[in-house]
Amino acid sequence: GDSVTQTEGQVALSEEDFLTIHCNYSASGYPTLFWYVQYPGEGPQLLFRASRDKEKGSSRGFEATYDKGTTSFHLRKASVQESDSAVYYCALRITGNTGKLIFGLGTTLQVQP
Amino acid sequence: NSKVIQTPRYLVKGQGQKAKMRCIPEKGHPVVFWYQQNKNNEFKFLINFQNQEVLQQIDMTEKRFSAECPSNSPCSLEIQSSEAGDSALYLCASSLSRHYEQYFGPGTRLTVL
Repeated sequence: GDSVTQTEGQVALSEEDFLTIHCNYSASGYPTLFWYVQYPGEGPQLLFRASRDKEKGSSRGFEATYDKGTTSFHLRKASVQESDSAVYYCALRITGNTGKLIFGLGTTLQVQP
Repeated sequence: NSKVIQTPRYLVKGQGQKAKMRCIPEKGHPVVFWYQQNKNNEFKFLINFQNQEVLQQIDMTEKRFSAECPSNSPCSLEIQSSEAGDSALYLCASSLSRHYEQYFGPGTRLTVL
């Protein structure tokens, strides 16, 4: 079935470090890919999405490029801040279905000042 | 910021009791999704609606879970007979269309004792 795999369960960094969170997907159709961020006590917030191969999504300094060849959508940020501490979810939606999202298990990012 | 409203924020029930939670989607969003997020951060799609019509629902929803999105009233998700395994964060999301971004509310945290 369709699925999303996030390699890192937890990432611990210091401020100004470079961030990479790996996301790989398996999909029966042509998916739209998303990154969401969830802060404690809140629902997931959309960071950005990408709908086609080689498209780059970006927001708040975070970015990811849709790579159909490697079935990946890795999240990157050049310089993290303490306020970026949160749980990050990669998700996909199959084009043409009823719209449900399939999420990865999330990556908890902890940034130390 | 999302304007999806979910009530109550916290719900505590005994096993076998009914549990009901409500969601007001963002104004103008005809598509509503319900997801269950467990303590391991796994998301499970439950059901979605376009206006008052069900688009898709999973088997679990068809048995003990019921949901509706009546016209001019909040959407609701009800568990007829709560079980310990139902303890989770129940997230409502709304969207302009099943092909557009989904915006999540803060969730209802259900604890079944």
